[in-house]
Amino acid sequence: EVQLLESGGGLVQPGGSLRLSCAASGITFRTYAMSWVRQAPGKGLEWVSGISGSGGSTYYADSVKGRFTISRDNSENTLYLEINSLRAEDTAVYFCAKTSAVGPLGFDYWGQGTLVTVSS
Amino acid sequence: SYELTQPPSVSVSPGQTARIPCSGDALSKQYAYWYQQRPGQAPVLIIYKDTETPSGIPERFSGSSSGTTVTLTISGVQAEDEADYYCQSADSSGTWVFGGGTKVTVL
Repeated sequence: EVQLLESGGGLVQPGGSLRLSCAASGITFRTYAMSWVRQAPGKGLEWVSGISGSGGSTYYADSVKGRFTISRDNSENTLYLEINSLRAEDTAVYFCAKTSAVGPLGFDYWGQGTLVTVSS
Repeated sequence: SYELTQPPSVSVSPGQTARIPCSGDALSKQYAYWYQQRPGQAPVLIIYKDTETPSGIPERFSGSSSGTTVTLTISGVQAEDEADYYCQSADSSGTWVFGGGTKVTVL
């Protein structure tokens, strides 16, 4: 059974930093590109960042470029998102998502999300 | 970057058919994917590559494509189909994008 378990969210002050983790199980982790997708309270889904299976290629939405860093440890089956210079508009549930085996531009498994709240 | 446009809401009576369009220039070149999200839950993939249905997804869910518009169709809508639905695609440079989402209300 595929499982993605996010952690690391919490309450942080504006300008602060946070590191989110996503532990994967039930898959050959290194085989799949992964992404982070966020959802602000009451709002829609927003793709934030993606990384290739090897970790050699990374991608970012314009809204987070320069502040967020995605990485992965294939030996630990874990995906990370380092978030710096946090702003109120970064408040959201952050989901990790696995790219689909049958349609590599889509996501077939999602974690339950971790909530990041940016507030003073 | 590019955009995908969906109607904010669709209302349908039980047993009827709901259709949710999603438009964007990139859809003429890249596949679309559809997700269902119930309140407080993670999204679930219900359509991939415009028209394909993952195993375990009810047959009443189907997808179609024409030019720069893709459409999610829910035939014989049931109360449990009340949820938010999102289309999604990506470009060749490694940018993914979601539509704004459509709230389906079962009357």
